[in-house]
Order: sequence, then C-alpha cells, then structure tokens
Amino acid sequence: AQTVTQSQPEMSVQEAETVTLSCTYDTSESDYYLFWYKQPPSRQMILVIRQEAYKQQNATENRFSVNFQKAAKSFSLKISDSQLGDAAMYFCAYAASNNDMRFGAGTRLTVKP
Amino acid sequence: GAGVSQSPSNKVTEKGKDVELRCDPISGHTALYWYRQSLGQGLEFLIYFQGNSAPDKSGLPSDRFSAERTGGSVSTLTIQRTQQEDSAVYLCASSWKSGGAYEQYFGPGTRLTVT
Repeated sequence: AQTVTQSQPEMSVQEAETVTLSCTYDTSESDYYLFWYKQPPSRQMILVIRQEAYKQQNATENRFSVNFQKAAKSFSLKISDSQLGDAAMYFCAYAASNNDMRFGAGTRLTVKP
Repeated sequence: GAGVSQSPSNKVTEKGKDVELRCDPISGHTALYWYRQSLGQGLEFLIYFQGNSAPDKSGLPSDRFSAERTGGSVSTLTIQRTQQEDSAVYLCASSWKSGGAYEQYFGPGTRLTVT
C-alpha cells in the first residue's frame, strides 16, 4: 500500500520569507505522480504543483518549487516570498499512473505579517 | 466554465437517518472521486468511477456507504443509518481520466454533522 507522510502538523513563516514543507511517501511503483494541494478555509482544494516521477528536474510554479528526491522518496514544497494569501492547509498527495490519489495528513501554514 | 459542484454544502442529520450527498462533475470528465475529510485530517479515499467501468469501492469504510454515478455524470454518495463518526467533510473531485497523469478538480465539499 502506498502511504504519504507529512511530519509537520503546523508551520509558520514571516511574510516575504521562505518556508519548506516536508513530505515523504512509500511505494513500490516506478511510475507515479506527486502533488501539493492547498486548502484554504473555503475548503476548496487547489492544485499547487505536480511532479512526474520519471522527470529528474524539479517542478516549479512561480513562487512554488519542489525538491524531489526519488531515491529517498521525499517531496518537499518550498514557498518563496510568502504572502498572506498562502496561509492554508497544504496536502501532499501521491497517485500511481492508473490509480486513485492518496493524501498526507496535511500541514497548516500560518503567514505572519 | 463551471467547476465541480456539490450539494448540499452543509447537512445536519440525526443518528440513524440516511443521507444523500450529490456531486456534479465538470462536463466531459470521465473520472469521479469521493473523499472523506475528518476534522484536522487528510483526505481519505472512498470510491472512484472511471467511465462505464465498475467503480473502485476499496475505500468505503462499511456497507452503510454506497455510491452511484448515473449516466456517467452526476454522482450520489449515500450513507445509511448514519453514525456520529460519519461526521466529516465529504469532497468530490473529477478528472478527464483516472490516474495520476490527470489533474483532479475538487468541489467545495459537503459538511455532514450527525447529532
């Protein structure tokens, strides 16, 4: 079974600073996808960034980037120049190529002005 | 275009009653997923539908839970004889096809409270 672990229940960052959220996963698959989703208080899950396991290059989306370490099964999210609107729950997720998605327990990010 | 919609947004029910939660996926999306999110927890996979294939029900927690998808579009999640531990937010998502290669788009969820 595939599992996703987020070891940081809560994190905080000063506005304009950088923060890294951790995620590890367990799988025996070689072909899979990893995701970071953001869930603000509105409950609407929003895809932040996605990484294909076969790609060595780390994905980036504006201020969001990942550090994908396939051998270590680690997938951390870095948020640069943090903004107040970044405050939310962040979920790491895993999906095999033709299967459903499994989520971690989430990290609550607080951004201090 | 319209996103995934869910109704009702909030539902309060008495223990032992049956409830139906509805999900309208994005038009053209063949895959539809149901998740449960308990307070302060991550998302727990319940069931997914892919086209006309038999659904993957491996995440349903008990036989009190069932789901249907009519005409390959709207889906209904039914919980019979609700228990207090069923209280949670139920999220629906759809994607063009099932599998990690295709982004899942989520609805706003239904918050179920069993009293």
